[in-house]
Amino acid sequence: KNQVEQSPQSLIILEGKNCTLQCNYTVSPFSNLRWYKQDTGRGPVSLTIMTFSENTKSNGRYTATLDADTKQSSLHITASQLSDSASYICVVSAGTASKLTFGTGTRLQVTL
Amino acid sequence: NAGVTQTPKFRILKIGQSMTLQCTQDMNHNYMYWYRQDPGMGLKLIYYSVGAGITDKGEVPNGYNVSRSTTEDFPLRLELAAPSQTSVYFCASSRGYSNQPQHFGDGTRLSIL
Repeated sequence: KNQVEQSPQSLIILEGKNCTLQCNYTVSPFSNLRWYKQDTGRGPVSLTIMTFSENTKSNGRYTATLDADTKQSSLHITASQLSDSASYICVVSAGTASKLTFGTGTRLQVTL
Repeated sequence: NAGVTQTPKFRILKIGQSMTLQCTQDMNHNYMYWYRQDPGMGLKLIYYSVGAGITDKGEVPNGYNVSRSTTEDFPLRLELAAPSQTSVYFCASSRGYSNQPQHFGDGTRLSIL
């Protein structure tokens, strides 16, 4: 069964600090890995999409890494801001429209 | 640019009632999707469509129906609502399915009592 596991479940950090969120997956076949940001009460918004051949991708202060050999990804947030408070969801695609496996997300809270 | 618009934002239904969740997108995307998000769970695909007139079941289709008569609209119909259908429903669209991001609406929060 395809699975995506994220850790930690929740995280509290001080504004200005960096943090790293983890995603482990067992999805086959692998097509791409996506990170989404979901603000409370809103729909998910795409941050990055990485294919098998990409091992790093950045979007502003967000940097995602992918190790397809160990089936692990991380999302690094640099110089966190209050507006980074959200859930971050890892999604792995098996290559068709119906084959996306969603993780349960990491809830990040950035405080003063 | 509105993106994906869902209505209503909130709704309370009684057991056995029916309703339609509306979804429209203005990006001319071929692919559209309906997901449900339950507390502590990842999003689950209910139905999807690869173009007008074409729909297919996802992982959790029981108790739901869809139609896709136009590129823009993809309504989700609940017949005979049950408490297990209490959830947050998200509609999404994408240009394609391979390496294309999905664009989500802000959801419909549905409670069935």
